[in-house]
Amino acid sequence: DAKTTQPPSMDCAEGRAANLPCNHSTISGNEYVYWYRQIHSQGPQYIIHGLKNNETNEMASLIITEDRKSSTLILPHATLRDTAVYYCIVRVAGNNRKLIWGLGTSLAVNP
Amino acid sequence: GAVVSQHPSRVICKSGTSVKIECRSLDFQATTMFWYRQFPKKSLMLMATSNEGSKATYEQGVEKDKFLINHASLTLSTLTVTSAHPEDSSFYICSAARAGGPRDTQYFGPGTRLTVL
Repeated sequence: DAKTTQPPSMDCAEGRAANLPCNHSTISGNEYVYWYRQIHSQGPQYIIHGLKNNETNEMASLIITEDRKSSTLILPHATLRDTAVYYCIVRVAGNNRKLIWGLGTSLAVNP
Repeated sequence: GAVVSQHPSRVICKSGTSVKIECRSLDFQATTMFWYRQFPKKSLMLMATSNEGSKATYEQGVEKDKFLINHASLTLSTLTVTSAHPEDSSFYICSAARAGGPRDTQYFGPGTRLTVL
């Protein structure tokens, strides 16, 4: 599975949009981009995933560049509860396929 | 929907004892469950992949005789840390992949904090 690169940390003001970037320049055509987050001392939480089209759900939006070499997770109105480590993972679809976790981006939402 | 529970949430044990951690998918069937551990300020490390009714597949460097995994049903997998030592102290997390359904995602349990004295 392709590797990803994320900034180690970011800050965001409460109520503003948080834009978290992820580079995955070696992504293959059949690999999806997944985003998870982990709030301190809890299990990770699925956020969103996509292949090549932009995706939106109740939590976030995922913007994937046309060449699929990078993506951005957007939290439209960040709250203090969004403070967490955000992980961008790319892998082939399939329920039995394992997730390989990097270090993620530690997002701090400030009041 | 898609809730995964773990029990216990926290356990303290003496060195040399064995500890069993349960992972349950409460409202869906999971043909595949995964076990991770996480040391402080580190990322999740996959330990093993567990398929219902078959032997688990362990990642390189994980001792299968020390970390016993049983996946006896579509809603339950257990991890037993045998003869635990202080270096086994960690945050253990399971995840379950929903069998079928429109979305390929893994749902995670809340984790189990193991402290070995």
